[in-house]
Amino acid sequence: SAVISQKPSRDICQRGTSLTIQCQVDSQVTMMFWYRQQPGQSLTLIATANQGSEATYESGFVIDKFPISRPNLTFSTLTVSNMSPEDSSIYLCSVELPGQGSTDTQYFGPGTRLTVL
Amino acid sequence: QKEVEQNSGPLSVPEGAIASLNCTYSDRGSQSFFWYRQYSGKSPELIMSIYSNGDKEDGRFTAQLNKASQYVSLLIRDSQPSDSATYLCAVKPPRRGGNKLTFGTGTQLKVEL
Repeated sequence: SAVISQKPSRDICQRGTSLTIQCQVDSQVTMMFWYRQQPGQSLTLIATANQGSEATYESGFVIDKFPISRPNLTFSTLTVSNMSPEDSSIYLCSVELPGQGSTDTQYFGPGTRLTVL
Repeated sequence: QKEVEQNSGPLSVPEGAIASLNCTYSDRGSQSFFWYRQYSGKSPELIMSIYSNGDKEDGRFTAQLNKASQYVSLLIRDSQPSDSATYLCAVKPPRRGGNKLTFGTGTQLKVEL
C-alpha cells in the first residue's frame, strides 16, 4: 500500500466560500481519484485526476464546482467552490496501486470532513 | 436496478460466529471485486480483492465470487467485536469502463458479546 495524507482533516466553512483539499501520497501513482461520502451514504466518485491533463468528471459533477489540479504524480487538490450546506460531506482521495495478480487496487486517504453553515 | 447492491443491515452476529456479507452486481462483464471495511468516522480500508471464480482466503476472511450468478460474498470467521463496522463491496467495470470503482451502499455488521 501507500501512505496517503489529506489536508485539512476537517473544516467548518461559511456558505458561498471555497475550500481546497490537498492529497499527498508517498510514491508516484498514475491514477488518483476524488470521492464524496455524504452522511450515512456510500462513496460517490467525483472525478479521476489525471497527471498532465484535465480531470475526468462523473455525471452530476462539473469542473466549475469541483476544480481539480494534478501537478505531479504524488499530489492533487480538489476545490469545493461556492459552497452550500448540501456540500457538507466527507471528501476522500484515493490512489490506485498495482495489486496482487492482475488487480490494481485503490487505497484511500483519511478523508476531509467538511461542514458548511 | 442498482449497479452494486448490498443489504444495509444491520447484520448482528454473536462473537465467535461466522458473519456472511453479500453483494450482487449488474454488469456481467465486471472484472474485479473488492471488500472494504469502514469504521465509523474513518476512511475505507481494503480487506480483500478477488477476480477469479471461487474462494480466496486471507486469515479469518474468505471472499467468494460467482460470476455466473453475479454474486460476491465475504465470510468472516470467528467474528470479533472489533469486526463491527460497515463493509463496502466495490466493483471494477469491464475494461471499457476504465479504472473507477462502483460502491455498494454497505452492510453494517455488529458483533455482539
